[in-house]
Amino acid sequence: ETGVTQSPTHLIKTRGQQVTLRCSSQSGHNTVSWYQQALGQGPQFIFQYYREEENGRGNFPPRFSGLQFPNYSSELNVNALELDDSALYLCASGGADTGELFFGEGSRLTVL
Amino acid sequence: DQQVKQNSPSLSVQEGRISILNCDYTNSMFDYFLWYKKYPAEGPTFLISISSIKDKNEDGRFTVFLNKSAKHLSLHIVPSQPGDSAVYFCAASSFVQGAQKLVFGQGTRLTINP
Repeated sequence: ETGVTQSPTHLIKTRGQQVTLRCSSQSGHNTVSWYQQALGQGPQFIFQYYREEENGRGNFPPRFSGLQFPNYSSELNVNALELDDSALYLCASGGADTGELFFGEGSRLTVL
Repeated sequence: DQQVKQNSPSLSVQEGRISILNCDYTNSMFDYFLWYKKYPAEGPTFLISISSIKDKNEDGRFTVFLNKSAKHLSLHIVPSQPGDSAVYFCAASSFVQGAQKLVFGQGTRLTINP
């Protein structure tokens, strides 16, 4: 039990649609990060939010965007979905001064 | 460019014996390393970590060793138990634009045989 919850757990979209994934992170953790895990691969860093501002991004295009709210919840939005966006999307939270990140169970997105 | 590599996709070990999972990295700027365990349909669960100023960290049955000169770390599990069967990811921590970023390996599927 990491205290990080994600919704929905599974969803199916079609190419070109938009999707919003949600995360509720652990109280007291002021950073939230999103990762994409494709089948058979390790998770890949999308971006991190700290105090409601994006403060770091991996190699993902601008159609991947996010929001962090004061109540420790956050969103990942993906526009213009492509088939390759099919993956498990993981939210992770941590304190700004600790090294460990704690992951939610993920949202599995399938794009048809 | 795979900065963190786990070259063994799978490993099978007898219950009670030692499991050794290996991980190599290329970026000498990494200063913190972590191991995560993942069951199907669950998110990764943090196991153990090590700072680059140390060469060993132990927590119960789990020990992580870091060899900075070889850019290599390993996770030892002893004794191995059936509940340890899972996919294990090593990750290295770096900072990008002020954000902590974990770079993960591809994972090693560990199977503990009774």
